[in-house]
Amino acid sequence: DAGVIQSPRHEVTEMGQEVTLRCKPISGHNSLFWYRQTMMRGLELLIYFNNNVPIDDSGMPEDRFSAKMPNASFSTLKIQPSEPRDSAVYFCASSFSGGGYTFGSGTRLTVV
Amino acid sequence: TQLLEQSPQFLSIQEGENLTVYCNSSSVFSSLQWYRQEPGEGPVLLVTVVTGGEVKKLKRLTFQFGDARKDSSLHITAAQPGDTGLYLCAERFGGDDMRFGAGTRLTVKP
Repeated sequence: DAGVIQSPRHEVTEMGQEVTLRCKPISGHNSLFWYRQTMMRGLELLIYFNNNVPIDDSGMPEDRFSAKMPNASFSTLKIQPSEPRDSAVYFCASSFSGGGYTFGSGTRLTVV
Repeated sequence: TQLLEQSPQFLSIQEGENLTVYCNSSSVFSSLQWYRQEPGEGPVLLVTVVTGGEVKKLKRLTFQFGDARKDSSLHITAAQPGDTGLYLCAERFGGDDMRFGAGTRLTVKP
């Protein structure tokens, strides 16, 4: 298995633009998680899905953030409009039935 | 809300030295995981501990879960430069989701 695949690896965008981050979880994993990592706040859970259904989105900062999981092999995290304070590394992770997480390599987002 | 506290925040040592990092909580862990994150990559799972007093070994790494399941430690023997990274502890919060500590950033100098 290729592991959890995230794209793009790096994204630089201007304030106000829409940003879409993508994730392909490990085949057979039934939970998917989006985290954001910054030096100041560490790893923060944004949202997680179980069997493609959003279970907890209490970590989503505000309405500018949205996430979807249309099927078991794909998820997106969208920021619209983006702001400089959204600059961070965004990680996707997947797991199976409460097991350990497998993380992707992350998307480094810079909003200028 | 249970808070995970990791210490020390930063640790810089010479190759060959031993070290211990800690993860503590204000309440009882259901289970605890340790991850290592290298620059530019996502965290990688090292171990899961579940039972109070449990000790697990992974080559030169020894993980211990406190008897009361409120603390855990990671001991590295004869550290090597390849051990450099951010060590994170994580606790299963409710359902499947995990909350992470801020981590210990370890640098092992050759």
